[in-house]
Amino acid sequence: QKEVEQDPGPLSVPEGAIVSLNCTYSNSAFQYFMWYRQYSRKGPELLMYTYSSGNKEDGRFTAQVDKSSKYISLFIRDSQPSDSATYLCAMHPRGTSYGKLTFGQGTILTVHP
Amino acid sequence: NAGVTQTPKFQVLKTGQSMTLQCAQDMNHEYMSWYRQDPGMGLRLIHYSVGAGITDQGEVPNGYNVSRSTTEDFPLRLLSAAPSQTSVYFCASSYSWGRGDTEAFFGQGTRLTVV
Repeated sequence: QKEVEQDPGPLSVPEGAIVSLNCTYSNSAFQYFMWYRQYSRKGPELLMYTYSSGNKEDGRFTAQVDKSSKYISLFIRDSQPSDSATYLCAMHPRGTSYGKLTFGQGTILTVHP
Repeated sequence: NAGVTQTPKFQVLKTGQSMTLQCAQDMNHEYMSWYRQDPGMGLRLIHYSVGAGITDQGEVPNGYNVSRSTTEDFPLRLLSAAPSQTSVYFCASSYSWGRGDTEAFFGQGTRLTVV
């Protein structure tokens, strides 16, 4: 079983919908959590980064962490066609990662007009 | 700043051939990593480096070698290509600050096909 599980989708929603993307993890040492967005044929780009349980908001995006359940989520409000991409969760233990991130499988999201 | 630059963008190899994927970063980041991305598998760590002259293995290191002679460059060598190495390869660089938080910057990827 992978340390990080993410539903690969694909997920297709209409423009304006609220999107929920989720990851579960088994390694309790993971303390820092990230969401990356990857457009087709591009490299991943950091979208959200958090290390505390609870919610972190940035515009239309909200990252949620529940360390007791080993569960993280990314919510996208008022989704736009430009949000169509693959979303990857990533995490690492407390302290510096030394460049070593553990990723979920990625969820392919399509937002149609 | 160019960020993280990978070359080539595309490559087709025959089984048994060797090649080097190039990665360079101009952000003076201490950490550099190589990942491969396969459908349904996410990104898996191949090798990483915490500084010039220091490298270590990641989750899927077999069939790959790395070295880091400078802060800027981190090439990935395929010793004897196999069809199982058909993948998209991403190089990343990162840094730490404060409490040890890091952000990874990724290159655009190299699409490798081994026939």
